[in-house]
Order: sequence, then C-alpha cells, then structure tokens
Amino acid sequence: QQQVKQSPQSLIVQKGGISIINCAYENTAFDYFPWYQQFPGKGPALLIAIRPDVSEKKEGRFTISFNKSAKQFSLHIMDSQPGDSATYFCAATKDSSYKLIFGSGTRLLVRP
Amino acid sequence: DAGVIQSPRHEVTEMGQEVTLRCKPISGHDYLFWYRQTMMRGLELLIYFNNNVPIDDSGMPEDRFSAKMPNASFSTLKIQPSEPRDSAVYFCASSYGQPNPYEQYFGPGTRLTVT
Repeated sequence: QQQVKQSPQSLIVQKGGISIINCAYENTAFDYFPWYQQFPGKGPALLIAIRPDVSEKKEGRFTISFNKSAKQFSLHIMDSQPGDSATYFCAATKDSSYKLIFGSGTRLLVRP
Repeated sequence: DAGVIQSPRHEVTEMGQEVTLRCKPISGHDYLFWYRQTMMRGLELLIYFNNNVPIDDSGMPEDRFSAKMPNASFSTLKIQPSEPRDSAVYFCASSYGQPNPYEQYFGPGTRLTVT
C-alpha cells in the first residue's frame, strides 16, 4: 500500500513536443504529491507539487493532473526542451509524515 | 545559501571497512533526511531527524548502518562493516517541514563503491 508506481521507465520526445509521465498510488491517506527532477550527478530537486483537493496545477510549462478517484496523477511538460532531459520522480506523502515515497523514475530525453 | 553540503562526493572502500558520510543541512532547516539511491531499489528513505532527534529509522537496512546528528549543522551516516551491496549513491536532504513536508532540498550525493 506504500508503493507509488511510475511509468514509463524511459521516454524520448522531440523538441517542442509534450512529455507525459504517469503515476499511480494505493494509499488513500496520501495527501501531497510532488514531482522531483534529477540531472545526472545531482540530487533530486522539487519541481512542482499538488494536493488532492485540486485536479490540476500549472507552473510554466509543467502541469500536474490529478485524478483522485482513479488514484492517479501525471506530469505534463509542454513544449519540451533539450534542457528538460533528466530523470523525473513522482512521490507521495502524508501531511502527518515526512516520509516521501518515490516512484521508480522516468528518464526523459528530449531530442533537438 | 550554499545548499546542502555532502562529503565526500565519491568514496571507494574495501569490504569490511568503516565508511562515514557527512552532511551539512541548509541553515534554519530543522528536518534532515538520509536517502539511498540504487538502480534496483530507487530512492529509499533511510532515516530522518527533527531538531537533531532521530524520528524514524525504519528504513535503515540493518545494524551495520547508524546515523547521528550531534548538532543542527552536521549529520553523519556510518556503515560498519561495509559490504559490496552497500554500493549506492547516498543523499542527504533537509527541509523546514510544515507546511510543505515534501519540499526537501537534496545535496549532491555521495557515490559509495564497496569492492
């Protein structure tokens, strides 16, 4: 019940295209859903996060879509750029906890 | 702010040796986390501290692993004795906690190789 399942494992997108990464969870007690971005040789960095009381959150080219009934959430990267090439992790946690449960990661490559 | 600082960045050691990883959190953050990242298991939380006190160490793999936080600006993760399966990248992260418990700032990591 603690798992967060992430797909796809890897993704190749052309510059200007839309990148979509999906995550699913089982534990209905989760109430924070952040996305982290990790470049090679660096630690993960918070990209964007959402609470389950909203269905969508947008920050620049990055959008989280949240489907509470399906227990799924996804990251959309609009107008993908080569600089977006990185590994993306979805995560989940509870308000009362500081334990981030991470998905397995998606390696994104944006071709010029 | 310099961000979370970890040392060393790379560590190569032989099986059976003691390994100590170090972390300096961001000043003012009162939560500190240690994570391990491997291809097989992804990112795993090992232990976290609040105000220098260990709160949850349920992710620590076994007694060979120990972590301390003697003050607000320093933490160590020790492995004794080390084994080849401990080879991984170890991250330290810190945060303010509420209202955003997910807003953790990660250091650059220590790549540990045990031969």
